[in-house]
Amino acid sequence: KNEVEQSPQNLTAQEGEFITINCSYSVGISALHWLQQHPGGGIVSLFMLSSGKKKHGRLIATINIQEKHSSLHITASHPRDSAVYICAVFGNQFYFGTGTSLTVIP
Amino acid sequence: SQTIHQWPATLVQPVGSPLSLECTVEGTSNPNLYWYRQAAGRGLQLLFYSVGIGQISSEVPQNLSASRPQDRQFILSSKKLLLSDSGFYLCAFTPSGVLGEQYFGPGTRLTVT
Repeated sequence: KNEVEQSPQNLTAQEGEFITINCSYSVGISALHWLQQHPGGGIVSLFMLSSGKKKHGRLIATINIQEKHSSLHITASHPRDSAVYICAVFGNQFYFGTGTSLTVIP
Repeated sequence: SQTIHQWPATLVQPVGSPLSLECTVEGTSNPNLYWYRQAAGRGLQLLFYSVGIGQISSEVPQNLSASRPQDRQFILSSKKLLLSDSGFYLCAFTPSGVLGEQYFGPGTRLTVT
């Protein structure tokens, strides 16, 4: 069993749709990351959370420590949001989900 | 500011040839350094991490090795590449004393033919 599970694995949306990607984890953590990987391969960190909610532009990340669950929301999705979104948690080491591949169609 | 460099960006090597990928970090001292591999369609797999010069921990058995000759330099090597070594290799660092943060390099796409 993976320490970090993401859903869905693949997601296709029409431009403008509201998108939610979910992450559940089974280990004790001190921080959770949402990462974005574009087709070229480079990875950037979107958010680091330890509690509550963070917002950056059209992106919102929430975490529920008691339920060991986090969500990444994208409002008014755009084709440039197409990427793989990876959930990663840090406990005594980093654990990574396998990613959610998002395609936003114009 | 803190930056991480990784090269080369792409590499095509024949089976049995040696490998050397280099990663350097700027703007921080004594970082924790990591090598990850991402095989096609799979998640990130931690290969090696280092908490200091000459200190290397391996997460999975393999024909790869890592070295940290300087504080901000991390090298991934192999004496003889296998087809299964193909993948996308990412170097990352955590700033010293900052738990939970991680910054990734641009990656190296390795194809073993």
